[in-house]
Amino acid sequence: DVQMTQSPSSLSASVGDRVTITCRASQSISRFLNWYQQKPGKAPKLLIYAASSLQSGVPSRFSGSGSGTDFTLTISRLQPEDFATYYCQQSFSAPLYTFGQGTKLEIK
Amino acid sequence: QVQLQESGPGLVKPSQTLSLTCTVSGGSISSGGYYWSWIRQHPGKGLEWIGYIYNSGSTDYSPSLKSRVSISVDTSKNQFSLKLSSVTAADTAVYYCARVYVWGSYRPVHWFDPWGQGTLVTVSS
Repeated sequence: DVQMTQSPSSLSASVGDRVTITCRASQSISRFLNWYQQKPGKAPKLLIYAASSLQSGVPSRFSGSGSGTDFTLTISRLQPEDFATYYCQQSFSAPLYTFGQGTKLEIK
Repeated sequence: QVQLQESGPGLVKPSQTLSLTCTVSGGSISSGGYYWSWIRQHPGKGLEWIGYIYNSGSTDYSPSLKSRVSISVDTSKNQFSLKLSSVTAADTAVYYCARVYVWGSYRPVHWFDPWGQGTLVTVSS
């Protein structure tokens, strides 16, 4: 199985901050990496697919980068609605999809 | 746009079979190019892929659940369903259905979008 490890597990930041979340794969997955946002009691929502493509309707302050084993999700200027848990997910070994353990972004 | 909605019992007894249905609206489940998937999330934990089905009925399952899982599709009702047998307390989770979007031809990228709202299933006597 391809293991996905996110860091940090939790993060405190303020509105207006620039935030970066990292996802590392246990083997090279090219650019087969997606990012999701999940708010409490809600389903995950797709933000970024194929490592860096922004899903339609997602604000441009979200961006993704990386290839191989190391990937990042960046939020350029945090808004109040961005405080949530973020997950990465690989599809390199589809259909054996795996997710990272999540990064909880909290208000400082 | 396409929307998904899970339905089924919120409480299942240990050793019994968990059964959930996902109803797709705003689009046809028979449309090619998508898989239809189940994913679960244990309370306060991360996400675990369970399996998926294509409109033809072909399936793939997580190896860790394969012996207990069955996913079926009813194209006439625009629904697909999950059955998980011999459940224990470890199967207590929020269960989501989601569409798997497949992009590209040679080595397609897959992602989950959209998702249903999720339904909590508790295994308890």
